Amino acid sequence: DAGITQSPRHKVTETGTPVTLRCHQTENHRYMYWYRQDPGHGLRLIHYSYGVKDTDKGEVSDGYSVSRSKTEDFLLTLESATSSQTSVYFCAIRDGSQETQYFGPGTRLLVL
Amino acid sequence: GESVGLHLPTLSVQEGDNSIINCAYSNSASDYFIWYKQESGKGPQFIIDIRSNMDKRQGQRVTVLLNKTVKHLSLQIAATQPGDSAVYFCAENMGTYKYIFGTGTRLKVLA
Repeated sequence: DAGITQSPRHKVTETGTPVTLRCHQTENHRYMYWYRQDPGHGLRLIHYSYGVKDTDKGEVSDGYSVSRSKTEDFLLTLESATSSQTSVYFCAIRDGSQETQYFGPGTRLLVL
Repeated sequence: GESVGLHLPTLSVQEGDNSIINCAYSNSASDYFIWYKQESGKGPQFIIDIRSNMDKRQGQRVTVLLNKTVKHLSLQIAATQPGDSAVYFCAENMGTYKYIFGTGTRLKVLA
């Protein structure tokens, strides 16, 4: 997984609770991304980061926030989880000089 | 179980045969393309990439073909093995932060 870890790997939570997912990389890559993967859809971008403290929204950012205080960590927060946020979440990284994205192992989130 | 690909197109091939997986991409301005393999319960794994200034690129047992005229990408896997069973999807990039991902094709290798 190209030096990318995600935690937790599985989580069950209740509607209305806050949830934070963590992505950690050891590659010192500049770009980091959060995607969600759902049946019938390709990977959809939630938020991405192009450097420490530099983030921007993707196509499905409503209900999610992110933070990147260090190069190696990119956090995704669901402020108040909803059942529609039940999904598999993937983090990806990309070196600034290349276009190839590498993905982490994923986090399966179930919101009851 | 899998949350990915409940209704994915499926390609079934005999072990040892060649597999061809197709992808229609959406944007004629895309200039970089990637094929990923995703096994059940795992993250997408990079297989091979190609830039728009090329028509063909070969890796180990895999070849990617790009037809820009019809916006079509294909992945050929030679001598398909049981370990090749997975979902395969393509991604396109226009040189920005944004990638567009296909929904994928499930490859089943029959013994």
